[in-house]
Amino acid sequence: DQQVKQNSPSLSVQEGRISILNCDYTNSMFDYFLWYKKYPAEGPTFLISISSIKDKNEDGRFTVFLNKSAKHLSLHIVPSQPGDSAVYFCAASEWAGANSKLTFGKGITLSVRP
Amino acid sequence: ETGVTQSPTHLIKTRGQQVTLRCSSQSGHNTVSWYQQALGQGPQFIFQYYREEENGRGNFPPRFSGLQFPNYSSELNVNALELDDSALYLCASSLSGAGANEQFFGPGTRLTVL
Repeated sequence: DQQVKQNSPSLSVQEGRISILNCDYTNSMFDYFLWYKKYPAEGPTFLISISSIKDKNEDGRFTVFLNKSAKHLSLHIVPSQPGDSAVYFCAASEWAGANSKLTFGKGITLSVRP
Repeated sequence: ETGVTQSPTHLIKTRGQQVTLRCSSQSGHNTVSWYQQALGQGPQFIFQYYREEENGRGNFPPRFSGLQFPNYSSELNVNALELDDSALYLCASSLSGAGANEQFFGPGTRLTVL
């Protein structure tokens, strides 16, 4: 049973435009949400996170929105750059500590066209 | 400060064999988590080790076992390999007390079971 769902396997956008990556979850116990970026032959690297007590967190070109009632979050990248092309994983945990178990979605492959 | 390293990079085994994968945690980190990423899937939590003790386990059978050493490096052992064990195995190190966004992943070991 997939507790974190990324239903779109891929997304292609033009350089300079906005990329919107969506994620849904089913477990009401999730309290902390993270986005990871993964390049081939590398491990996932942390991008941005949000606590369940917030509905928005922004870091430079990256913004994560959380709609807790809909159990939905999204990652916005503005403006998109070719170097953003990678696999993006949405992850969730029941608490915000470093020893928390992360539950990942299947990932979305983002391609940014020059 | 060295990051998380894993060895070997790639490994090919046959069904029924046993395998040991290794992870060196980032300097100063005392917690290691292991994840399995099957093709087309997101990473799935196997177990976590904190100060040489297992500190949580995902939905994996007992033939998946681990160790953590006094220097906080870790091993993942898989006995009686099955074809479905073919995957990328990721380890993540963290420091207890830090945030969930401070789990740092290694590049992974690609295991192929024939």
